[in-house]
Amino acid sequence: AQRVTQPEKLLSVFKGAPVELKCNYSYSGSPELFWYVQYSRQRLQLLLRHISRESIKGFTADLNKGETSFHLKKPFAQEEDSAMYYCALSSTQGGSEKLVFGKGTKLTVNP
Amino acid sequence: EPEVTQTPSHQVTQMGQEVILRCVPISNHLYFYWYRQILGQKVEFLVSFYNNEISEKSEIFDDQFSVERPDGSNFTLKIRSTKLEDSAMYFCASAGLAGTREFFGPGTRLTVL
Repeated sequence: AQRVTQPEKLLSVFKGAPVELKCNYSYSGSPELFWYVQYSRQRLQLLLRHISRESIKGFTADLNKGETSFHLKKPFAQEEDSAMYYCALSSTQGGSEKLVFGKGTKLTVNP
Repeated sequence: EPEVTQTPSHQVTQMGQEVILRCVPISNHLYFYWYRQILGQKVEFLVSFYNNEISEKSEIFDDQFSVERPDGSNFTLKIRSTKLEDSAMYFCASAGLAGTREFFGPGTRLTVL
């Protein structure tokens, strides 16, 4: 079964503190993982994808196949990072390529 | 950067009524999707559409739902007879090629009374 789990519904940190948003997945195949972000009253936007191995807005995420995790990290959180963060995997099970999302984590960065 | 657009932003309807949610995908994209998010729950896949036909649909996408690309630019989701539990945010998305990123629209909030 394909599943994405984000164990934390809410996460609150202070500005300048490190932040880690957890994501675990279950997928019988070679997964492609993404992080999407949704700022207040804005659309879902791609933050990063594991195959790019890039850092966007200071965020990084490493795919750990052994732990089936794709945690999102940033060493120094900023207030503008406050948003909903969704981990997703791209699944082709069922015939087409689509995204399977976690429930999301609401990150609040306090001044 | 080009964007996916959706109209209306908010739709209120009575139970049993038909609604049509409209989306304009990015112009050279080939793959189209509808997702929905019930308040407080996760974003769920509804249907994917490619080459003028449904590629895949989820269990949620029952006979009350249909999709259409009527004129080469719009991509619509129709709910024939709305139920209270259809109240949700509906997101349209499009992608240029399989395996590329999906671009999401801003969503339509559907409220069924």
